[in-house]
Amino acid sequence: SQTIHQWPATLVQPVGSPLSLECTVEGTSNPNLYWYRQAAGRGLQLLFYSVGIGQISSEVPQNLSASRPQDRQFILSSKKLLLSDSGFYLCAWVLTGGYGYTFGSGTRLTVV
Amino acid sequence: KNEVEQSPQNLTAQEGEFITINCSYSVGISALHWLQQHPGGGIVSLFMLSSGKKKHGRLIATINIQEKHSSLHITASHPRDSAVYICAVPSNSGNTPLVFGKGTRLSVIA
Repeated sequence: SQTIHQWPATLVQPVGSPLSLECTVEGTSNPNLYWYRQAAGRGLQLLFYSVGIGQISSEVPQNLSASRPQDRQFILSSKKLLLSDSGFYLCAWVLTGGYGYTFGSGTRLTVV
Repeated sequence: KNEVEQSPQNLTAQEGEFITINCSYSVGISALHWLQQHPGGGIVSLFMLSSGKKKHGRLIATINIQEKHSSLHITASHPRDSAVYICAVPSNSGNTPLVFGKGTRLSVIA
């Protein structure tokens, strides 16, 4: 079956520390992968998307980066977290040409 | 780029009430998603629909493609339905990243 794993569910990190959030997909090949963020009081906004291994597109400039080292693995990273990086991070995927998105359960990040 | 409007922003209901949450968008789409976000933050996908109506338990989702509008209904609401309900649509026609509404915060009081 097609599933998506996102971890951890919650994370508390100090300012200036690095970040690595991982999202993996099972049961499909060559998905389009997405990272979204929900800041306090706002809707989910697109951060990065990837249509293939090593292909990353960024929607907005920020303190974060993304990588896709394998077909079904999407990683969100930061070298030094800022307080403003706090929020809810959501991974999702869809097949090219499809419209049925599958969502991870999300990670709530608090930077202190 | 699609713009999504949800209403109401906040909704408080008594247990047992029938609830309606609305979502409007500006660009024609292939499918619309309804999601539920629990107080702890976890996201659950409720529906994906491209036409007509879908039902799952006490939840009903409808979409009118011509009017670019969707509604989520909850029948016989229960306190465990308390959550944020979010609709999402592709940013443009076709297979493009999703644009999310800001969500409707529902509180159901016993």
